[in-house]
Amino acid sequence: SAVISQKPSRDICQRGTSLTIQCQVDSQVTMMFWYRQQPGQSLTLIATANQGSEATYESGFVIDKFPISRPNLTFSTLTVSNMSPEDSSIYLCSVDPRRSSSYNEQFFGPGTRLTVL
Amino acid sequence: GENVEQHPSTLSVQEGDSAVIKCTYSDSASNYFPWYKQELGKRPQLIIDIRSNVGEKKDQRIAVTLNKTAKHFSLHITETQPEDSAVYFCAATRPVNRDDKIIFGKGTRLHILP
Repeated sequence: SAVISQKPSRDICQRGTSLTIQCQVDSQVTMMFWYRQQPGQSLTLIATANQGSEATYESGFVIDKFPISRPNLTFSTLTVSNMSPEDSSIYLCSVDPRRSSSYNEQFFGPGTRLTVL
Repeated sequence: GENVEQHPSTLSVQEGDSAVIKCTYSDSASNYFPWYKQELGKRPQLIIDIRSNVGEKKDQRIAVTLNKTAKHFSLHITETQPEDSAVYFCAATRPVNRDDKIIFGKGTRLHILP
């Protein structure tokens, strides 16, 4: 089954700084998704990252604030730029569950818990 | 764009009884509907899914039904057990050009009462 890892697992950052979150998948995937989840809330899609093309951002999210890289089919990064306390959240990368017929696979990374002071 | 509504937001069920969670979607082009279970402090876990060419799918105690005409789909958990307590999210794909977006409902917190 696919393994999805994220780094860092958590971080505490100062206002105005930037943090880059890495997502690694142990198999090649076409699409990778980045979500944000506030405590007790649902998953909000930030952007979709396809290898070889620019990420597609959802309404309310812009590239200057959340630049994304997708250098190959197993890796992506999300940067949270010029952070403010409102950016405190859990950030998760995800892959398309339709790529597998198994429910035993992981389709989400473990998440990065970000706290901005 | 796609909008996924989910209800109830909280559901308490006696152990052994059934639980039903309902979702509606807005984009008639949506063609894939996964359900995720998220336990406290853990990542969401896919538990079942259904494609638009199927009306019902079952996996042990879990089943999902889809009504394309009404644009709603439901999760059914039978013979509930304490380990079923979690937050459940429905989702729907929103085809945009050549890219599919997986949009989530707001979640249902399921409590299994002893």
